[in-house]
Amino acid sequence: NAGVMQNPRHLVRRRGQEARLRCSPMKGHSHVYWYRQLPEEGLKFMVYLQKENIIDESGMPKERFSAEFPKEGPSILRIQQVVRGDSAAYFCASSIQLAGDPKAETQYFGPGTRLLVL
Amino acid sequence: AQTVTQSQPEMSVQEAETVTLSCTYDTSESDYYLFWYKQPPSRQMILVIRQEAYKQQNATENRFSVNFQKAAKSFSLKISDSQLGDAAMYFCAYRSGLSGAGSYQLTFGKGTKLSVIP
Repeated sequence: NAGVMQNPRHLVRRRGQEARLRCSPMKGHSHVYWYRQLPEEGLKFMVYLQKENIIDESGMPKERFSAEFPKEGPSILRIQQVVRGDSAAYFCASSIQLAGDPKAETQYFGPGTRLLVL
Repeated sequence: AQTVTQSQPEMSVQEAETVTLSCTYDTSESDYYLFWYKQPPSRQMILVIRQEAYKQQNATENRFSVNFQKAAKSFSLKISDSQLGDAAMYFCAYRSGLSGAGSYQLTFGKGTKLSVIP
């Protein structure tokens, strides 16, 4: 059973360009979470999605950032008009809803995408 | 809002010895989950162990165990018989047991860098 997959692993963009980060959850997982890790920091929650729905985007900047998880295909985190402050590691996690205990979900992480904005 | 504090930025341990990493958290909730994740140099986030707050028994996974003190809001990780492969950043994380917006996200501490000395 393949784990959470993210691509690309490394992404270099110039200021003003767009960055698209992809995440394929573990097989059978329908919940996806995106986190950002700045240097020397822990991970910070950005957004939580289920298939075709954004459940919680309270951690995502209001401008330039968007996320989707279509019915088919990977989840996409999109950053428009990137700035140097967007340079970070972006992690995707996925989970399955446990039968009988919808709150007891463990999140499994992908390897992350390192975004560098020049 | 919940906060997670890891007061030890760096720790070291001799190979085959035991080390304990500290974590405290602040919450007004009674139902929640606690996790330890490991991030080796590859930067992959790996789940080490999880604890449900309603369980009095401390979780154990092979050489890894926790000391969960709910009243003190403390959740330390003990690594026994340390191995070179245990060298990594270790992050403590909190997840609410409530339903609704904001409850699904993991709140991370800033991490403890563990070095294992041969």
